[in-house]
Amino acid sequence: DAKTTQPPSMDCAEGRAANLPCNHSTISGNEYVYWYRQIHSQGPQYIIHGLKNNETNEMASLIITEDRKSSTLILPHATLRDTAVYYCIVRVADDKIIFGKGTRLHILP
Amino acid sequence: DAGVTQSPTHLIKTRGQQVTLRCSPKSGHDTVSWYQQALGQGPQFIFQYYEEEERQRGNFPDRFSGHQFPNYSSELNVNALLLGDSALYLCASSLALRFSSSYEQYFGPGTRLTVT
Repeated sequence: DAKTTQPPSMDCAEGRAANLPCNHSTISGNEYVYWYRQIHSQGPQYIIHGLKNNETNEMASLIITEDRKSSTLILPHATLRDTAVYYCIVRVADDKIIFGKGTRLHILP
Repeated sequence: DAGVTQSPTHLIKTRGQQVTLRCSPKSGHDTVSWYQQALGQGPQFIFQYYEEEERQRGNFPDRFSGHQFPNYSSELNVNALLLGDSALYLCASSLALRFSSSYEQYFGPGTRLTVT
């Protein structure tokens, strides 16, 4: 079973920041937090990952709480192309990916 | 830089038949994982191949088997197809942990299998 809990769906206005929460209260010390997204009928796309520090790349920012029991993925300026299902995953680095149900993000024009 | 490629894109088979799906990993990657995604569900892990051997396996029957070739490409074989095997089959590639500290997996576009 997936080790994360995410809201089933969220809405965000185009141009605003999209903040997607994820709870992972049973995360172990050697488990990373990974985020993927899947646009309709395409393969999942890697977004970002982190262990305990906040991370930022060209796609998004990842904020991990100090106790590591939750995290937030931030898309700074959401566009219609960001409409997708977003998966939060915790795993040991070289382990298989166990996907949950994810969050369906709707970007509203 | 070539990403992960899969073939064929779509496939229609009849119950009881056998099917082979193919995957070429992203350039420089040596590990291939396969996932099954039923309609409306998240992907489910089938197995992972590294150094031409099955390294990890999910909860799938022996009807699902695979192979990895010396060039790191991989095949997924499914025997005695059932209607429930209809799904999007995804291949993901990665670089072995000893060469990469982050171990992110990159996914291909998938093969849509329909069993009638």
